Amino acid sequence: SQTIHQWPATLVQPVGSPLSLECTVEGTSNPNLYWYRQAAGRGLQLLFYSVGIGQISSEVPQNLSASRPQDRQFILSSKKLLLSDSGFYLCAWSVQGGNYNEQFFGPGTRLTVL
Amino acid sequence: GESVGLHLPTLSVQEGDNSIINCAYSNSASDYFIWYKQESGKGPQFIIDIRSNMDKRQGQRVTVLLNKTVKHLSLQIAATQPGDSAVYFCAERWDYGQNFVFGPGTRLSVLP
Repeated sequence: SQTIHQWPATLVQPVGSPLSLECTVEGTSNPNLYWYRQAAGRGLQLLFYSVGIGQISSEVPQNLSASRPQDRQFILSSKKLLLSDSGFYLCAWSVQGGNYNEQFFGPGTRLTVL
Repeated sequence: GESVGLHLPTLSVQEGDNSIINCAYSNSASDYFIWYKQESGKGPQFIIDIRSNMDKRQGQRVTVLLNKTVKHLSLQIAATQPGDSAVYFCAERWDYGQNFVFGPGTRLSVLP
């Protein structure tokens, strides 16, 4: 069966510090991968998605970036965090191809920028 | 731009009653819809989906209804239980793409 992992689970960082969140998927090959951010009490905002290694599409201009160095690894980064970067970051995957494929979410990373 | 929204941000129901969570969408080109359940501090979990060529789909204790005429989606939960307490999101897929647009969510509280 497929599983998706995210770490760390929680993170407290000062403003201006760098960020690296990691997401890995097991049990599937060549998945679509996604990064979402969820502000407190709000819906999910798509940040990045990837259909393959090295292929990243950005949905929202910001100081965040994403990379996909391996097929089942997706990394969210920032060089300098802002207060507004606080939130719950969710990684998700879906099957590549097909017409009706739901997204499966990881457990999330709670980021607090102070 | 077009977006998904929810009529009720919070919903409280008595244990054992049926729950109905509503979602309005404005993109007539959306072809696929999903309901997710998110418990506190966790990632969203898939509940049920429906394609745009369907009006109704049933799962275990859940039913999703799609009314394309008024662009309305609903999730019905039968015999609501305390474990159903969570935030529920609807998501729509635009134009046969890989990406979904999520609504702001409805918090369901089950009263004992």
